[in-house]
Amino acid sequence: NAGVTQTPKFRVLKTGQSMTLLCAQDMNHEYMYWYRQDPGMGLRLIHYSVGEGTTAKGEVPDGYNVSRLKKQNFLLGLESAAPSQTSVYFCASSYGPDQPQHFGDGTRLSIL
Amino acid sequence: QKEVEQDPGPLSVPEGAIVSLNCTYSNSAFQYFMWYRQYSRKGPELLMYTYSSGNKEDGRFTAQVDKSSKYISLFIRDSQPSDSATYLCAMTVLYNQGGKLIFGQGTELSVKP
Repeated sequence: NAGVTQTPKFRVLKTGQSMTLLCAQDMNHEYMYWYRQDPGMGLRLIHYSVGEGTTAKGEVPDGYNVSRLKKQNFLLGLESAAPSQTSVYFCASSYGPDQPQHFGDGTRLSIL
Repeated sequence: QKEVEQDPGPLSVPEGAIVSLNCTYSNSAFQYFMWYRQYSRKGPELLMYTYSSGNKEDGRFTAQVDKSSKYISLFIRDSQPSDSATYLCAMTVLYNQGGKLIFGQGTELSVKP
């Protein structure tokens, strides 16, 4: 009964370092999403995928890249981390494009 | 003007009270209407969702949608301390080839024993 699983849960990086956040879902959903949540800004869509092998830009894509090599996994990469990317990152998935999304528990990322 | 407006709270009620949480929206293109509950340091948890106007009940929770007035509500009966969390209304809309969730600002609820 896992749903959406995100790893790692916490990470501290130095400016300029790179890292990859992993999202895995076991609900056979076609659509997957990456959001960031910041105080006073709510949840903002970074990138999303409409199926295996596809990715698309959301509202705040700069500084991030994504890949969806397998249907159940959606990876978010930071090539050169910046302090402005300190945030809580949430992954979500849905059966269809306009249907309810199911969220993971987030990755708390701090960039020093 | 934001597409979704939610009563910001915070809201503090005694255990056993009936809680009413409300959102208004402006975009007629919204498809699904949802309520999420978010505990501190956790992800948003999908509580209820509905596609059409009317009421939907699940245990102590009732979701109400009025598309003509562009208004949605969540009622919690016999509230418990474990209901203390931030409640987010959300609506889906088609976005390019995918979909996008538009969230309200969230209402922080505290249920006192």
